[in-house]
Amino acid sequence: DVKVTQSSRYLVKRTGEKVFLECVQDMDHENMFWYRQDPGLGLRLIYFSYDVKMKEKGDIPEGYSVSREKKERFSLILESASTNQTSMYLCASSPEAFGYDEQFFGPGTRLTVL
Amino acid sequence: AQKVTQAQTEISVVEKEDVTLDCVYETRDTTYYLFWYKQPPSGELVFLIRRNSFDEQNEISGRYSWNFQKSTSSFNFTITASQVVDSAVYFCALSEAGWYNTDKLIFGTGTRLQVFP
Repeated sequence: DVKVTQSSRYLVKRTGEKVFLECVQDMDHENMFWYRQDPGLGLRLIYFSYDVKMKEKGDIPEGYSVSREKKERFSLILESASTNQTSMYLCASSPEAFGYDEQFFGPGTRLTVL
Repeated sequence: AQKVTQAQTEISVVEKEDVTLDCVYETRDTTYYLFWYKQPPSGELVFLIRRNSFDEQNEISGRYSWNFQKSTSSFNFTITASQVVDSAVYFCALSEAGWYNTDKLIFGTGTRLQVFP
């Protein structure tokens, strides 16, 4: 079974802190994604990566950056956390394909920025 | 532009009732894929089904069925004889095929289904 793991289920940070959210997948998938989920807004794509060291902006990249140094790991970075970044963050991965493959999701990290 | 609309924010039913979750999509492409995901209280989205734009056959899997109609741009999901374990948030999503899109999914805002005993 594909497994996508995220480093924390719950995280509390202070405004201005640098925050790292880690995601690891164990199925050799090419594509990895970061979403944030907010009530009434569904899932919105922050960044995605289709290869090591490659990244593409999603729909809401402002205030975030990403890193993919190894195929299995995709990190989301909040350079200076703000209260409006309080949200549920979901990581996903999918095999190499173009629009066809399902995405496999991790359990999510609920981030609170105080 | 691509868009997925799930107009039902929340639905409550009593166990054993049938329930239909609506999904309407917009896309310019002729080749695309539609998905349904379930998000139980644990938080992890679980894939339920994928449909491509050339296959309008309805699909049935146990108590779940899906009705895809290109004429109305809809991909509705019906749960027959609902159970408490069906309580979750359900997301409909759209992906446009093509090398430039790389599996990007456009999600609807989700429908929260509560099934009461």
